[in-house]
Amino acid sequence: GAVVSQHPSRVICKSGTSVKIECRSLDFQATTMFWYRQFPKKSLMLMATSNEGSKATYEQGVEKDKFLINHASLTLSTLTVTSAHPEDSSFYICSAIRAGRAYNEQFFGPGTRLTVL
Amino acid sequence: AQSVTQLDSQVPVFEEAPVELRCNYSSSVSVYLFWYVQYPNQGLQLLLKYLSGSTLVKGINGFEAEFNKSQTSFHLRKPSVHISDTAEYFCAVNTDKLIFGTGTRLQVFP
Repeated sequence: GAVVSQHPSRVICKSGTSVKIECRSLDFQATTMFWYRQFPKKSLMLMATSNEGSKATYEQGVEKDKFLINHASLTLSTLTVTSAHPEDSSFYICSAIRAGRAYNEQFFGPGTRLTVL
Repeated sequence: AQSVTQLDSQVPVFEEAPVELRCNYSSSVSVYLFWYVQYPNQGLQLLLKYLSGSTLVKGINGFEAEFNKSQTSFHLRKPSVHISDTAEYFCAVNTDKLIFGTGTRLQVFP
């Protein structure tokens, strides 16, 4: 159990367009999901914490108007990159916390490769 | 504030040799410690975790790690590596957030 999926796995878009990435917990309910960004050969940087039914909490330096996060249900969170530019090209990874556990282990999705031309 | 340091950005090793990937952390409170592996263009897979109890933790794929509180370390070891172990390895500490180290690229040569 504890499988997290992301869709799409990779996307190429033109500069100025918006892209939506979905993160789903397939076999458990996730009250909290996280969005990370990973640059080539770099570590994961936490962008925001997404709680079901409330506004996301963004990390310092992350533009909330550019990276829109919606956690509409206990199994789905979406990240929308608005007016994407080439510098937004990156690997985006989500994770989810399984509700009811004694500690907050995060289960990671397979990632989405975004390329903005 | 918590932080994680992985001193080795790359570790080259021959197949069947032992390997140790180093991880040191700093925290003013009790932490949970994790090692993750990432294969190219994939997400993170949990190798092992330390929550409490025995300081020697065994994980998947023959890996183990030892929590050393006095040295604030959580080094990852494997007695005999395979070509398939070539990947990026991340150490992480979790209090209210998951903080990752910068990663160590393990390259196993035949």
